[in-house]
This record gives sequence, structure tokens and C-alpha cells, in this order.
Amino acid sequence: KQEVTQIPAALSVPEGENLVLNCSFTDSAIYNLQWFRQDPGKGLTSLLLIQSSQREQTSGRLNASLDKSSGRSTLYIAASQPGDSATYLCAVPDMRFGAGTRLTVKP
Amino acid sequence: SQTIHQWPATLVQPVGSPLSLECTVEGTSNPNLYWYRQAAGRGLQLLFYSVGIGQISSEVPQNLSASRPQDRQFILSSKKLLLSDSGFYLCAWGTGRGTDTQYFGPGTRLTVL
Repeated sequence: KQEVTQIPAALSVPEGENLVLNCSFTDSAIYNLQWFRQDPGKGLTSLLLIQSSQREQTSGRLNASLDKSSGRSTLYIAASQPGDSATYLCAVPDMRFGAGTRLTVKP
Repeated sequence: SQTIHQWPATLVQPVGSPLSLECTVEGTSNPNLYWYRQAAGRGLQLLFYSVGIGQISSEVPQNLSASRPQDRQFILSSKKLLLSDSGFYLCAWGTGRGTDTQYFGPGTRLTVL
């Protein structure tokens, strides 16, 4: 059974810091991994999707990496802003989500 | 305990035909409701969410619409299906508070031919 773990559960940083969110999964036989953002009271917003053939994906200040052999993915956020405050979730097929990391960026 | 139902489980429809997918939630009141789609080779995409009866927000422009006629009922519709509408449709509910953990229904596999 696939298990997805995200560390840390919560993170608070001052504005401008670079930060890394971690996601680990137990079954490395995945064909993609997806990072989501969730704002309170809203659904999930997809941030980055990494196919198993890729090692990383970038979108603006976000960079996600995938290491299938070690069962890990990281989401790197550069120059964090208060607007980045949200819960970040990773997910692998089929519909296996981590519990999320709640990020707070303080002005 | 709360449960979420979706039907049908699978559906094969011709291009141009209408669509109606239904989602109902039991055991909770005033939930936030969500429709997601997972297309082949893609991740999960939020289509619509609702915080109350008659309140629908759309995340992406598309050929689909959603309605919430009752507190615990969420319907996904289309007047004319496109090939690109094929995918796996998931309904979810959440409390709308705090981190709003979402609970997903079993999904509907839609194939448009």
C-alpha cells in the first residue's frame, strides 16, 4: 500500500527566505507526482506535475524534483512571499495524498 | 460517519451528447464541495468548488458546468461533450475550516468517443 508522508507538518518563515518542502512515498513504481496548493476553504490548485521520466519541473519561483529510487520529492520555493502562505500537498497515483505542509510566510 | 457517493462509476458517451454526473454527501451539513478531473497523463485538476447552495466557482474555462441544487448534492453537467472531456472525475467534500482535509468520492470514469 502506497503511503505518502510530508515533512514538516507546519513551517513558518520570514518573507524572502528560500524554503524546501519534502514528500516521501513508499512505492517507487509511480508514473507521476503532483504538488498542490490549498488555500483555506478552497479546493486544491495544481502547482507542478512531474512525470516519472523527469527529474524536476519549474514554474516561476517553484521548483519540484523527483527521485523515484529514493522515494522522495522536494518542492523548493524561492524568495517566499506572504501570498505563498497555504497548505502544500503532494500526491501520487492513485489519489494518494500526503497530509500536507502548512506554510506561513510572515511579512 | 460521513460518506460520499458518485454515480455512475463508468460512462461511455458519444461526442456531442449531454452529461450529468452526480455527487451526494451524507453525514455532514454545509460541506464545501469540489469537482476534479484527472485526464490521462495529467494530474488532478480542480474544476469547480462550492461553499453553499447555488454558489459555484469555476477554476478553469471549459465545456462543463456545475450546480448545487441542495446542500449535499453537487452535479457536473455538459450540454455537448467533447473528446477532450474524457477523464476520471472526482467529487470531494471538505469542512471549509482550517486545512480543510478533503474526502474524495469513488470517481466516474468518462470516455467520450
